[in-house]
Amino acid sequence: DQQVKQNSPSLSVQEGRISILNCDYTNSMFDYFLWYKKYPAEGPTFLISISSIKDKNEDGRFTVFLNKSAKHLSLHIVPSQPGDSAVYFCAARPTGTASKLTFGTGTRLQVTL
Amino acid sequence: EAGVAQSPRYKIIEKRQSVAFWCNPISGHATLYWYQQILGQGPKLLIQFQNNGVVDDSQLPKDRFSAERLKGVDSTLKIQPAKLEDSAVYLCASSLDRLASTQYFGPGTRLLVL
Repeated sequence: DQQVKQNSPSLSVQEGRISILNCDYTNSMFDYFLWYKKYPAEGPTFLISISSIKDKNEDGRFTVFLNKSAKHLSLHIVPSQPGDSAVYFCAARPTGTASKLTFGTGTRLQVTL
Repeated sequence: EAGVAQSPRYKIIEKRQSVAFWCNPISGHATLYWYQQILGQGPKLLIQFQNNGVVDDSQLPKDRFSAERLKGVDSTLKIQPAKLEDSAVYLCASSLDRLASTQYFGPGTRLLVL
């Protein structure tokens, strides 16, 4: 049972344009969401997070939007840069279970020149 | 600040053999996690430690997998005997405590079982 879904395995975007990565979840108990970025042969690196009491969180070029009614979140990268090319994982944490994270399957972003 | 250290980085073994992975978390981090990431999937939590105690091992295949964190610092994950389906990247992560939302990951150990 995949509780966190990233339906796009890959995405290609031109440098300077906006990248939009999507994530859907099914568990209503999730109350905290994170995005991790992973380069080949490295571990995932924390990128940005959002609590369920917010609908938007921004950090430089990265913005995460949360639509609780649709159980959907998205990561926007503006402008996209070649160094953003990586696999992006969405993760979610249920209320009251400390820090147990459930990860999606990842989206590979390629930013082209 | 040093990150999460893991060794070895790569391991190739034959099925039915045993293997062990080592993890040293970020200094001062009380919570340590072991994840399994199979190709094409997201990381899946195997076990979570708070200091030297187990918080969650509900997804650990206990018939063949074991883990310990005896002194509440570094940790070892063992597989005995290994199966073909254990081929994956094993990621160790740590966080300040069990309520901390951000986990910091090591580079992982890539295991291939032949």
